[in-house]
Amino acid sequence: DAGITQSPRHKVTETGTPVTLRCHQTENHRYMYWYRQDPGHGLRLIHYSYGVKDTDKGEVSDGYSVSRSKTEDFLLTLESATSSQTSVYFCAISGRETGSPLHFGNGTRLTVT
Amino acid sequence: AQSVTQPDIHITVSEGASLELRCNYSYGATPYLFWYVQSPGQGLQLLLKYFSGDTLVQGIKGFEAEFKRSQSSFNLRKPSVHWSDAAEYFCAVGGMDSSYKLIFGSGTRLLVRP
Repeated sequence: DAGITQSPRHKVTETGTPVTLRCHQTENHRYMYWYRQDPGHGLRLIHYSYGVKDTDKGEVSDGYSVSRSKTEDFLLTLESATSSQTSVYFCAISGRETGSPLHFGNGTRLTVT
Repeated sequence: AQSVTQPDIHITVSEGASLELRCNYSYGATPYLFWYVQSPGQGLQLLLKYFSGDTLVQGIKGFEAEFKRSQSSFNLRKPSVHWSDAAEYFCAVGGMDSSYKLIFGSGTRLLVRP
């Protein structure tokens, strides 16, 4: 399995508080992604990174920010958590060789009360 | 617009029966296509991928998928389902653009009857 660690695995937080989720990889891959998974929606891309300090928005980026100061770490921050951000968050990595797939972490289950 | 449609939310099959999960995509360029499987509480595991060449691709766990460009489809098949195949299956499409993002379908949950 690709070396991807997400932390925490579970978190419960209150509406209005900031939350940071961490993704750590040991594969030295250039591309990293944050997806959220919700019933009936599959996985939707929040933000992605194509290198240190190089990030861009996905289709559901409102209310989220990211940072990547090192190749191995990609942080997702919910600036002021809302109940609609209750979800399972997955980090993925890719080496971007021709046709290389994404490899996923085990997810973080976030509940906003 | 780029999209992936998995028309079946749930499918139930008997153990030992054959399986076909449907996937249709909309993508402007030559697509790269993937099937992933997710067991409860786990991340997504890659089953197989198609880039070019032979339109019938083999994957892990006895799965295969066939790319049909004329139908914009990439259906997943297995000749004989095992109880351990019960999981959620996701089809995804992407391409070698500058971001290499994948777009996922909404998933199909497979239930296996003993």
